[in-house]
Amino acid sequence: AQSVTQPDIHITVSEGASLELRCNYSYGATPYLFWYVQSPGQGLQLLLKYFSGDTLVQGIKGFEAEFKRSQSSFNLRKPSVHWSDAAEYFCAVDNYGQNFVFGPGTRLSVLP
Amino acid sequence: DTGVSQDPRHKITKRGQNVTFRCDPISEHNRLYWYRQTLGQGPEFLTYFQNEAQLEKSRLLSDRFSAERPKGSFSTLEIQRTEQGDSAMYLCASSQDSRAADTQYFGPGTRLTVL
Repeated sequence: AQSVTQPDIHITVSEGASLELRCNYSYGATPYLFWYVQSPGQGLQLLLKYFSGDTLVQGIKGFEAEFKRSQSSFNLRKPSVHWSDAAEYFCAVDNYGQNFVFGPGTRLSVLP
Repeated sequence: DTGVSQDPRHKITKRGQNVTFRCDPISEHNRLYWYRQTLGQGPEFLTYFQNEAQLEKSRLLSDRFSAERPKGSFSTLEIQRTEQGDSAMYLCASSQDSRAADTQYFGPGTRLTVL
């Protein structure tokens, strides 16, 4: 069965520091991968997605992610974190065009 | 583009009562999805529609859960005889068509509390 793991439940970084959130997936075909962000009391907002081509994808708010097939990973990065980036981040894989399978999420806290 | 809307945003009910939630997708989006999210977890898929056809419902949590999309526009999710374990955030999403990798746009969710 398709699955997504996010090994870090909670990460704390200082404002201005770099960020990397890890995501690993298990999928039987070419994966279509997504990162969403959820602020408290809000729905999920798409940050970026990968479905083919360049393995480094750019998203909104200065985020990027790199697809590594050999490692079954799709890690999210940002070179300099802002206080407004504090939120919950979810990695997801498209399940054969039927639905998304989400990871458990990583909560990001940002220190001033 | 007004986005996906859900109503109500919050619902408090007593155990054993029935509740119904509504989702209005982005106009002209053919696909509509329902997910459930419990505290500290990612969204869990429940069911989805292609226009008015419900294509997958085996993931609905029990026969107390049902969903409809009668005219291929808005959708409702009903939970009968609610239990405390049903307390969660119920999320609706829509996408333009059935292509794989088509982005799903999420609504703000309905938070259900069962007392």
